[in-house]
Amino acid sequence: ETGVTQSPTHLIKTRGQQVTLRCSSQSGHNTVSWYQQALGQGPQFIFQYYREEENGRGNFPPRFSGLQFPNYSSELNVNALELDDSALYLCASSLANRGRFYGYTFGSGTRLTVV
Amino acid sequence: RKEVEQDPGPFNVPEGATVAFNCTYSNSASQSFFWYRQDCRKEPKLLMSVYSSGNEDGRFTAQLNRASQYISLLIRDSKLSDSATYLCVLVPYSGAGSYQLTFGKGTKLSVIP
Repeated sequence: ETGVTQSPTHLIKTRGQQVTLRCSSQSGHNTVSWYQQALGQGPQFIFQYYREEENGRGNFPPRFSGLQFPNYSSELNVNALELDDSALYLCASSLANRGRFYGYTFGSGTRLTVV
Repeated sequence: RKEVEQDPGPFNVPEGATVAFNCTYSNSASQSFFWYRQDCRKEPKLLMSVYSSGNEDGRFTAQLNRASQYISLLIRDSKLSDSATYLCVLVPYSGAGSYQLTFGKGTKLSVIP
């Protein structure tokens, strides 16, 4: 059973640029969420996708957007990068079925630095 | 008031000690509760779920008090390998089927030889 994989592991971008982060869900999982973890803080929920539809969003501006593909892999896109976007971005996948939630498995994250 | 508040830490304890972490939450509609563990510069990993009846997994015991909106984690006989940040996590109820994890800031534990 493969876990959640994210790419790239590290990334440096310039303020104003755009970035795309990628995530492959754990086999059998149909739900994916993205989290932003700033240094010294707990992860903050960005959004969640279930069967290719966004079905939950945290307090993040529209320049944070995402996609989920038919194979349940996912992308997080951030436009017009700001210095405060520097953080660890975590992807988490889960199986949700008939209203039951079985807990998330996290990927090892992408560490984004905006300069 | 923050949705999830944890002891600020850090906790520095000798090997073999018993250590307790506390967490309070503000959303009474929260439906699921967990403790996650996060090693330095790594992803969070599920340590255990938390149930109202209390649950135990080896040296770890978790308790939930819904009336007081309080969660705890007890670690007995601390090992060096227990050194990590412990995150209190809840899942608020959402009729849309969105299982958003809400994390506390975390409490750092260092177990000293």
